Amino acid sequence: EVQLVESGGDLVQPGGSLRLSCAASGFTFSNYYMSWVRQAPGKGLEWVANIKQDGSESRYVDSVKGRFTISRDNTKDSLYLQMTSLRAEDTAVYYCVRGGGLGDYWGQGTLVTVSS
Amino acid sequence: DIQMTQSPSSLSASVGDRVTITCRASQGIRNDLGWYQQKPGKAPKRLIYDASSLQSGVPSRFSGSGSGTEFTLTISSLQPEDFATYYCLQDNTYPRTFGQGTKVEIK
Repeated sequence: EVQLVESGGDLVQPGGSLRLSCAASGFTFSNYYMSWVRQAPGKGLEWVANIKQDGSESRYVDSVKGRFTISRDNTKDSLYLQMTSLRAEDTAVYYCVRGGGLGDYWGQGTLVTVSS
Repeated sequence: DIQMTQSPSSLSASVGDRVTITCRASQGIRNDLGWYQQKPGKAPKRLIYDASSLQSGVPSRFSGSGSGTEFTLTISSLQPEDFATYYCLQDNTYPRTFGQGTKVEIK
């Protein structure tokens, strides 16, 4: 059974940093693009970033470029999102998704709240 | 960026109704489109990929069609468990972009 379990969400002050993790199981992690998608409270879905199978390429939505970094460790079947210079508008549930675009499996999400 | 415009933004329907949701892309995206269902407090679930391919395990009352700039999601006979919010997503071009969502409510 495919499982994606996010962790690391927290309350952080504006300008702060946070690292999200996603532990994958039930499939060969190194064979798949992986993505992060977020959803602000009461709002729609926003694609954030994705990363190629071997970690050699990654893409971002403009609003997080230069602040967020997606990475992966295929030896640990784990996906990460390093977030810096956090803003109030980054407040959202962050989902880990299998696939680079039309992801087929999603984690349950982890909540990031940016507030003073 | 490619804009994905869904319509309607919400609708009220009864069990057994046929429901159609439309998604229009601001430029052609071939068939690089998926549909997702999200219930409150839950992660989205993929229903359709490549515009018309039914995700394994999804009931056959769900279907997708379209290519280029106009796409539809049809629920042939609405069931109680189908009341949810539906999103389209294009994966033709970066950044990937979602429609704003269509909330399907009980009439």
